[in-house]
Amino acid sequence: EVQLVESGGGLVQPGRSLRLSCTASGFTFGDYAVSWVRQAPGKGLEWVGFSRSKAFGGTTEYVASVKGRFTISRDGSKSIAYLQMNSLKTEDTAVYYCTRAHDYGDYRADFWGQGTLVIVSS
Amino acid sequence: DIQMTQSPSSLSASVGDRVTITCRASQSIISYLNWYQQKPGKAPKLLIYGASSLQSGVPSRFSGSGSGTDFSLTISSLQPEDFATYFCQQTYSTPRTFGHGTKVEIK
Repeated sequence: EVQLVESGGGLVQPGRSLRLSCTASGFTFGDYAVSWVRQAPGKGLEWVGFSRSKAFGGTTEYVASVKGRFTISRDGSKSIAYLQMNSLKTEDTAVYYCTRAHDYGDYRADFWGQGTLVIVSS
Repeated sequence: DIQMTQSPSSLSASVGDRVTITCRASQSIISYLNWYQQKPGKAPKLLIYGASSLQSGVPSRFSGSGSGTDFSLTISSLQPEDFATYFCQQTYSTPRTFGHGTKVEIK
């Protein structure tokens, strides 16, 4: 069974850093991209970025609002993806989901974690 | 960035009704369009990918159509468990933008 479990959320002050983890199981982690999607309280979904699989270059891309502050990385030996969030702003407050995504074809995100809540507040 | 416009933003319907939600892209995205269902407090769930392909395990009352800039999600006979919010997402280019969502409520 495919599973993705996020962890690392919590309350953090503006300007500080936080690292989220996404632990994957039930599939070959290295064969898929991993994306992060966030949802501010009561709002819609916002794509944050993704990390392609090695077969597709292992590159990363981000939405403009987090570029230069957030970094996605992955540890294939542990099947864990990370979202390093620096210089956090109050507008980064959201539930953060990690997803398994396809690197080719329709690029669909077919499995999602349960999400982890990040609150940026002083 | 490609803008995704969903309509309506909300609708009220009864069990058994046929419901259609539309999504328009600001430029052609060919068929790189996915639909997700989200229930309160839960993660989104993939329903349709590639504009019209049904994700494994999703009931056949859900269907998707469209190409280019105009797409639709249809629920042929609304069931109690279908009351939720639905989002479209384009995967033609990055950032992979979402529509603002359509909340389907009980009439």
